[in-house]
Amino acid sequence: GENVEQHPSTLSVQEGDSAVIKCTYSDSASNYFPWYKQELGKRPQLIIDIRSNVGEKKDQRIAVTLNKTAKHFSLHITETQPEDSAVYFCAASRGSNYKLTFGKGTLLTVNP
Amino acid sequence: KAGVTQTPRYLIKTRGQQVTLSCSPISGHRSVSWYQQTPGQGLQFLFEYFSETQRNKGNFPGRFSGRQFSNSRSEMNVSTLELGDSALYLCASRAGTGGPGELFFGEGSRLTVL
Repeated sequence: GENVEQHPSTLSVQEGDSAVIKCTYSDSASNYFPWYKQELGKRPQLIIDIRSNVGEKKDQRIAVTLNKTAKHFSLHITETQPEDSAVYFCAASRGSNYKLTFGKGTLLTVNP
Repeated sequence: KAGVTQTPRYLIKTRGQQVTLSCSPISGHRSVSWYQQTPGQGLQFLFEYFSETQRNKGNFPGRFSGRQFSNSRSEMNVSTLELGDSALYLCASRAGTGGPGELFFGEGSRLTVL
C-alpha cells in the first residue's frame, strides 16, 4: 500500500521567515496530494491541495510543489506568522480510491 | 451549515470492554471516513463508508468495525479494548462523488483505555 514519509517532524522558525515541509510517497499511481493544518486541540483543516496534472499551486502565502518523477511534494509557507504555528500533515491518494494516507505530521512553531 | 459532529467527545474504558463512537456528517455528504490519531503516528485510516457500504478499509484488526446508516450517520465499534487503542478517533465527511476532495473533520472522540 501507499506509504507517505514527512520531514521534518519539528520545525522552528522566526516570524517572517519561510518554512518548508517535504513529503515523499511510494505509490506512483497517487494523484491527489492535500495538506492539512491542525492547531492545538482543534480538528485538521485542509489548507491547500494539488493534483498530479499540476506542478505547483499557490494560495497567498502558501504554495505546494509536486515532483511526480521523484515522488515528492512540498509545502512552502512564506512570511510566517505566529498563527501559522500548528501541526501540518501531508497526504496522498490515487484514482477513485478515496483512502488518504497521511504523513506523521510536522510541528511548526513560529517564534515572534 | 452544521459541521461534522462526533459523540461522545471523551470517554474512559477499561481493557476488554467495547466502545461505540458516533459521527454525524455534514448534511448532503454521503462519505464518512474514520481515522485514529496518536502522538507520533499521525492519522491512520480505519475505514470509509459511502451510501451504507464500506468502500475502503485500513490495516486495523477485526476488533475495529463500522457501519453507516441510510441518513449517512456512521458508527464505529472497537471490541475487546486494549491499552494501545487509547487515541483520538476522528471522523471526516465529504460529498463522496466526483473524485477526491476536501475532508471535513469532526472534533474527535478521545478514548482512554485503562
